Amino acid sequence: GAVVSQHPSWVICKSGTSVKIECRSLDFQATTMFWYRQFPKQSLMLMATSNEGSKATYEQGVEKDKFLINHASLTLSTLTVTSAHPEDSSFYICSAREGSNEKLFFGSGTQLSVL
Amino acid sequence: AQSVTQPDIHITVSEGASLELRCNYSYGATPYLFWYVQSPGQGLQLLLKYFSGDTLVQGIKGFEAEFKRSQSSFNLRKPSVHWSDAAEYFCAVGSFGGYNKLIFGAGTRLAVHP
Repeated sequence: GAVVSQHPSWVICKSGTSVKIECRSLDFQATTMFWYRQFPKQSLMLMATSNEGSKATYEQGVEKDKFLINHASLTLSTLTVTSAHPEDSSFYICSAREGSNEKLFFGSGTQLSVL
Repeated sequence: AQSVTQPDIHITVSEGASLELRCNYSYGATPYLFWYVQSPGQGLQLLLKYFSGDTLVQGIKGFEAEFKRSQSSFNLRKPSVHWSDAAEYFCAVGSFGGYNKLIFGAGTRLAVHP
């Protein structure tokens, strides 16, 4: 089946620094990618939807200047958490879809800890 | 607003026992419903989905789920649990055409005793 690779799996950073998370589709063209965030014992919350070559569409309450999403190619989307703070510590997970294919493929997630 | 509730945060069953994970949703139109499983260190994997038609849906790994509109439920079942089924299970409802926007429940963590 299709594979989505998410990197890194975990990252620890100092407050104020920026962190980039990559999401790659390894064997298909991901025309649409989704970024989710999960707090402990809570639901996965959709943060934004990105279509290749277009600006990402952010969900209500998600700061687009804080969470920069780039989807410049059909196989790569990145989420950059800018000026990270401890409250940004969370589990971030991406998913990808090829064209109108109904199936979503998820990355393995990134655990971000901001000190 | 759409929402998904998984009432059970944690469930423990014995290997070989039957399993039912509950999921209730709130959605104004006909929902698209999904169950995903997440094993440690792995991404979410789709177990099964319901879009329309037969309300009893068969999925992978021996799982099935039944859509009950009158109860706004989409419970996941398995007749005999295996130790490898230990994982976190997420119910989700899709809006705007199905996969465009998934709203997840908080998840149910399943532990399996030998």
